[in-house]
Order: sequence, then structure tokens, then C-alpha cells
Amino acid sequence: GQSLEQPSEVTAVEGAIVQINCTYQTSGFYGLSWYQQHDGGAPTFLSYNALDGLEETGRFSSFLSRSDSYGYLLLQELQMKDSASYFCAVSRGRALTFGSGTRLQVQP
Amino acid sequence: DTGVSQNPRHKITKRGQNVTFRCDPISEHNRLYWYRQTLGQGPEFLTYFQNEAQLEKSRLLSDRFSAERPKGSFSTLEIQRTEQGDSAMYLCASSVRAETGNTEAFFGQGTRLTVV
Repeated sequence: GQSLEQPSEVTAVEGAIVQINCTYQTSGFYGLSWYQQHDGGAPTFLSYNALDGLEETGRFSSFLSRSDSYGYLLLQELQMKDSASYFCAVSRGRALTFGSGTRLQVQP
Repeated sequence: DTGVSQNPRHKITKRGQNVTFRCDPISEHNRLYWYRQTLGQGPEFLTYFQNEAQLEKSRLLSDRFSAERPKGSFSTLEIQRTEQGDSAMYLCASSVRAETGNTEAFFGQGTRLTVV
């Protein structure tokens, strides 16, 4: 089976940097994705790591280490609008398997 | 709007009734997925279509659930004899195949089902 673990909640202040970790137990997958979901909204794609290392997309970066079964999402220069739930997900070429999500609260 | 469209946005039904949801994916996307999401959880995969072929179904999908994608365009998800445990947000997503295996999925706003 597949399971992904994330912290349930993270709180940070505006302008800060926050890291959301994701550890997984799965056999064979293409890559690790990250999605953002605001309350009442649809999940939206943020980042994808097919290979080990860091991928940077603007204020967001994502990291994958297959040997450690670990990844993280790094959010820099936090803004109030970043308050949302963040999900890691593994891709096996077809459907995604999601973690239970990390609720990020950004405080002024 | 060229995103994924789902209808209805909300559905309240009595236990035992049948319900049907519709999803219109992004037009050039050949892959379509249904997920279910409950409060505080991530989306759970239900089923996957490539064009009109249903290629994968989760074990979560009991025989009360059926999905179709005639002509490889829109899709419907029907739940027969609804139970209170079916109350959830039903999300549809579409994507195109990427060589890297990146299944970047574009999600609709979902249909929130409440079974009373």
C-alpha cells in the first residue's frame, strides 16, 4: 500500500519561511507532487519532483529524497493568502495518492 | 471559463436515494479522475478514465458507485441507495499524460453531497 504522512498544522508569521514535510511509504512511484487547497476551493497544483533534489517555482520550492522516503515544500516570504491546506501526493503514472494535508495558518 | 466544471455544486439527498454528478473536463485532456474528500483529509482516488475507457477503480468504490465517460468527454458519477457515510465532497480532475509521469491534475470545485 501507500501512505504519506504530514504534520496536521503549521503556524507561521507573514514574511517568514515555512517548511512542510512529507514522509512516505510506497513502492515505486514516478514523483512527488504538492497541491494547495483553500477552504471551500479546489486543490491546485504547486510543484512536482520527478528526481531527487530541489525544484524552485517562485516563492515555492519542493524537495525530494527517494533514499530517505522524504520530501518537503518550502514557502518563502509568506503572505496571508498562503493560509491554506497543503497536500503531498505520489504519482504512479495514473492517479495520485494524497497525504492527509497540512493546514498552514499565516499570522500577521 | 475553460477549467474543470462540476454540477451540481451542492446536493442534499435522503438516505436510500440515487444521485448523479456530472463533470466536464478541460477539453483537450484525455484523462479524467474522480476523487472523494472528507473534512480534514486529502482527496481519495475513486476511479480513472483514459478517453472513454475506465482503466482503474479503487477498492473504495463499492458496487453502489458507477461512473461513465461516454465518448471520452464529460463524465458522470452515480451513487445508488445513498448512505450517510457517502456524505463528502466529490472532486473531478482532468489531465494529460506527461513523459515525466507528472500527473498534474486540474480539479473542479467539487460537488458537496450531504445524505440525511
